[in-house]
Formats: sequence, C-alpha cells, structure tokens
Amino acid sequence: AQTVTQSQPEMSVQEAETVTLSCTYDTSESDYYLFWYKQPPSRQMILVIRQEAYKQQNATENRFSVNFQKAAKSFSLKISDSQLGDAAMYFCAYRRPSTGTASKLTFGTGTRLQVTL
Amino acid sequence: GAGVSQSPRYKVAKRGQDVALRCDPISGHVSLFWYQQALGQGPEFLTYFQNEAQLDKSGLPSDRFFAERPEGSVSTLKIQRTQQEDSAVYLCASSFAAGYEQYFGPGTRLTVT
Repeated sequence: AQTVTQSQPEMSVQEAETVTLSCTYDTSESDYYLFWYKQPPSRQMILVIRQEAYKQQNATENRFSVNFQKAAKSFSLKISDSQLGDAAMYFCAYRRPSTGTASKLTFGTGTRLQVTL
Repeated sequence: GAGVSQSPRYKVAKRGQDVALRCDPISGHVSLFWYQQALGQGPEFLTYFQNEAQLDKSGLPSDRFFAERPEGSVSTLKIQRTQQEDSAVYLCASSFAAGYEQYFGPGTRLTVT
C-alpha cells in the first residue's frame, strides 16, 4: 500500500519570505502522480500543484514550485514570496495512474502553515 | 453553482442515530469520491463512483456505512447507528473522469455525541 508522510505538523514563515514543506512517500509503482493541496480554514481543498512521476522537470505554478526526487521518494513544496493568503493546511497526496477504476488520492497528515507579518 | 456542494455543512447526531450526507458534484462529472477527514488528519478514501456504479468501496470502515449515486449525479453517504468514532469531516470530490483533477466540496462536519 502507498503511504505519504509529512513530518512537519506546523511551519511558520514571514510575509515575503520563502518556505519549504516536506513530503515523502512510499510506493512500489514506477508511474504515479503527486499533488499538493491547500485547505484554508473552513474552506474547500484546492489543488496547488501536481507532478507526474515520469517527468524529470519539476513542476512550477507561479510562486509555488516542487522539488521532486524520485529515487529518494521525496516531494517538497516551495512557496516563494509568501503572502498572508497562503496560510492554510497543506496536504501532500499520491495517486496511481488511472486504470479506469479508482483513482483515489492518498493523503499525508498535513502541515499547517502560518504566515506572519 | 459551478462547484461541488455538500449538505448539510454541519450535523450533530446522537449516538445510535442514522445520518445522510448529500453531495452535488459538478455537472457532467463522471467520477465521484467520498473521503473521511478526522480531526488533525488528512482525508482518507471511503468510496468511488463512476456514474451510478460504485466501483470501489474498500475504504468504508464498516457495514454501517453505505453510499449511493442512483442517477449518476447526486450522491448520498449514509451512516447507520452512528458511533463517536464516526465524528469527522466528510468530503466529497468529483472529477470529469477517472484520472482528471478532483474538485472538492466544503465538507460536512459530523459530530456524534
């Protein structure tokens, strides 16, 4: 079974600074997808960024980028120029390639990010 | 509305009561997922529908949990004889098809007293 581990329950960053959230995973699959989701307080979970395992290039979405280390099974999220609106729970998630049946997500336990002035 | 909606947003049930949680997916989305998120934890998969067919129910924790999607759109998660350990946020997500991005609803927070 696949597992996702987030070892940082809480992180704090000052506005405009950079922060990195860590995630490791365990799988025997060679092809899969990795995601970072953001869950603001009392609001819906939204997708921040995704990475296909077969792609060597790290994904980037504006201020969000990942460091994907396939051999180490590591998938960290870097947030640059942090903003107050970035404060939320961040979940790392894993998904197998869809085979037409279940494409369920396996989540880590989350990292709560605080952004301070 | 364009997003996934869930109702009720909050539900308090006494132990032993039955509850029904509703999910309205994005129109046209074939795939629908239910997840359970306990306090301080990440969401955990419960069950998956493709249209009206329940293709995976491996995450349902007991036979007290039942889900349906009879017409391939709205889905209902039913919990019979609720227990305190059922207290959690129940999230629904839908996607255009298997393998596409999952869009989450706001969740239903269930508290069993």
